[in-house]
Amino acid sequence: AQRVTQPEKLLSVFKGAPVELKCNYSYSGSPELFWYVQYSRQRLQLLLRHISRESIKGFTADLNKGETSFHLKKPFAQEEDSAMYYCALSPLTGGGNKLTFGTGTQLKVEL
Amino acid sequence: TAGITQAPTSQILAAGRSMTLRCTQDMRHNAMYWYRQDLGLGLRLIHYSNTAGTTGKGEVPDGYSVSRANTDDFPLTLASAVPSQTSVYFCASSGYTGELFFGEGSRLTVL
Repeated sequence: AQRVTQPEKLLSVFKGAPVELKCNYSYSGSPELFWYVQYSRQRLQLLLRHISRESIKGFTADLNKGETSFHLKKPFAQEEDSAMYYCALSPLTGGGNKLTFGTGTQLKVEL
Repeated sequence: TAGITQAPTSQILAAGRSMTLRCTQDMRHNAMYWYRQDLGLGLRLIHYSNTAGTTGKGEVPDGYSVSRANTDDFPLTLASAVPSQTSVYFCASSGYTGELFFGEGSRLTVL
């Protein structure tokens, strides 16, 4: 069985400070990892996925198979980054199909 | 494009009553999902469907049933609601990319 752990329920940072949202996973095979974000009054949406190796809205995440981690990072937090962030895992390349989510981290960026 | 449409947006239900949450997508995605979102527990998969005519159980299927008569619709039914089913329910779909597209959610309160 797969599991996703997000140890922080709430992360509060000041505008301009670096951000790191932690995500650890357990899965015996090769997973695909995602970060989904839910802004206030908006739908949950995909932020980024590890196979695309993109930087979205200044966020990056590197899959570290040795540490089984997929931490989300941004060098300089902006007020508009305040949202709920979910790390998620799929056992299949291509994603979808019984995606397992972590419990989420609420990011609050203070002025 | 509407994407995923859920109804109702919000509902208060007496314990023991039945309820169907509706979900319709216009993206012709093969796969559809129902998740419940609870504070501190994140999103948990209730049921899923990989294609029309097939369904499967997720992490927390008890007390819920689904059907997938066609590609577009994926209703979730609570046959006899209990207070522990008070939650926000999200319907989602995914196509060949694996990215999940979510509805706006249905907030259900069971008294």
